[in-house]
Amino acid sequence: GAGVSQSPRYKVAKRGQDVALRCDPISGHVSLFWYQQALGQGPEFLTYFQNEAQLDKSGLPSDRFFAERPEGSVSTLKIQRTQQEDSAVYLCASSDQTGDGEAFFGQGTRLTVV
Amino acid sequence: GESVGLHLPTLSVQEGDNSIINCAYSNSASDYFIWYKQESGKGPQFIIDIRSNMDKRQGQRVTVLLNKTVKHLSLQIAATQPGDSAVYFCAEIPNRDDKIIFGKGTRLHILP
Repeated sequence: GAGVSQSPRYKVAKRGQDVALRCDPISGHVSLFWYQQALGQGPEFLTYFQNEAQLDKSGLPSDRFFAERPEGSVSTLKIQRTQQEDSAVYLCASSDQTGDGEAFFGQGTRLTVV
Repeated sequence: GESVGLHLPTLSVQEGDNSIINCAYSNSASDYFIWYKQESGKGPQFIIDIRSNMDKRQGQRVTVLLNKTVKHLSLQIAATQPGDSAVYFCAEIPNRDDKIIFGKGTRLHILP
């Protein structure tokens, strides 16, 4: 596809369940970002990859959050033992250069923890 | 702490009028600023950007103004249309840092 694709579009998880969110960036894009967006708030940075290297994970809220991009393309954000406060939209973005390239966002995965 | 923020959470504008959305930032080292538009159920969409060595940049119906003296950023939308209804975020990429830092957003509501 032409844009950033995220799946699933919606996810309902029971508290304590593990979830995995997938991001397919635009082909060839070097940089990949994950953001968390709570209802009525702006996106909050979680982590950033340049190719397969995770250069910044300072925004991950706890050690229950883990992200990977093993081959420098598709990325997975995993949340272990989900809690209600993890409910949010998780956005993925990619860009073709570091720093100031235009970042293209996917539609996000809406996670609801019940 | 350093952050990007917006003055008003909601802005109502008559259809056909011009809209001005404001943003204040506090990181004087920021080198690059972006305005995003986010419609309901969608991810943020790039509108226009500006570098710190510029004070104005124009696009199609949109203009971004940067005042580094008072650390103020604004987005002007000419002849506002119903399709402009969305939440608008200003964002910055601090110098030597790759992550995009978003403000809280302003919801633009178009009156018929």
